Amino acid sequence: GAGVSQSPSNKVTEKGKDVELRCDPISGHTALYWYRQSLGQGLEFLIYFQGNSAPDKSGLPSDRFSAERTGGSVSTLTIQRTQQEDSAVYLCASLLREGRTDTQYFGPGTRLTVL
Amino acid sequence: LAKTTQPISMDSYEGQEVNITCSHNNIATNDYITWYQQFPSQGPRFIIQGYKTKVTNEVASLFIPADRKSSTLSLPRVSLSDTAVYYCLVGGSGNTGKLIFGQGTTLQVKP
Repeated sequence: GAGVSQSPSNKVTEKGKDVELRCDPISGHTALYWYRQSLGQGLEFLIYFQGNSAPDKSGLPSDRFSAERTGGSVSTLTIQRTQQEDSAVYLCASLLREGRTDTQYFGPGTRLTVL
Repeated sequence: LAKTTQPISMDSYEGQEVNITCSHNNIATNDYITWYQQFPSQGPRFIIQGYKTKVTNEVASLFIPADRKSSTLSLPRVSLSDTAVYYCLVGGSGNTGKLIFGQGTTLQVKP
């Protein structure tokens, strides 16, 4: 079946502009995560959505970052007034719970470049 | 959340067995251990998951000792295409939430 999709795959923007990154999770998955990965680095947790619960925003690096998940499905990560340090690959993952185990399925990511 | 510690990098040669060990000393009772593989310019991909003892699938084996404070991912007869970053992740349905990835282990397979 279809996996997690993200759009755009690449985004180049100018410093100070706002950007929106989209994630379409796998249908039926219980949770959705956003991570950021800078070049050569590990995955940095940003935000987590689980059902109708309030999202865990504890990983968002500043108030310029926000995310929403509409209808328990599609999610949008918005970065306002982008800075050069925001340049990274932004990865989305949806989570499947089977019994007692949780497995994340990742999208291909959006590569953001802030000039 | 259980913190994980892995070697930063490992080198191997084609055809060898590779074992990557992850330490997770404060693993909780409900936590499972999951390993992901990430190729350049791709998102991480699930490899294997286990709770205790040994788990084997078509890709790898996962060895977990009785105290569960560590785990070892075993890749049999690696090939060049196994060159990737391998992440160990500890968490579970009992405390699903902010799943934290460590820095991972960069495995370089040489011909």
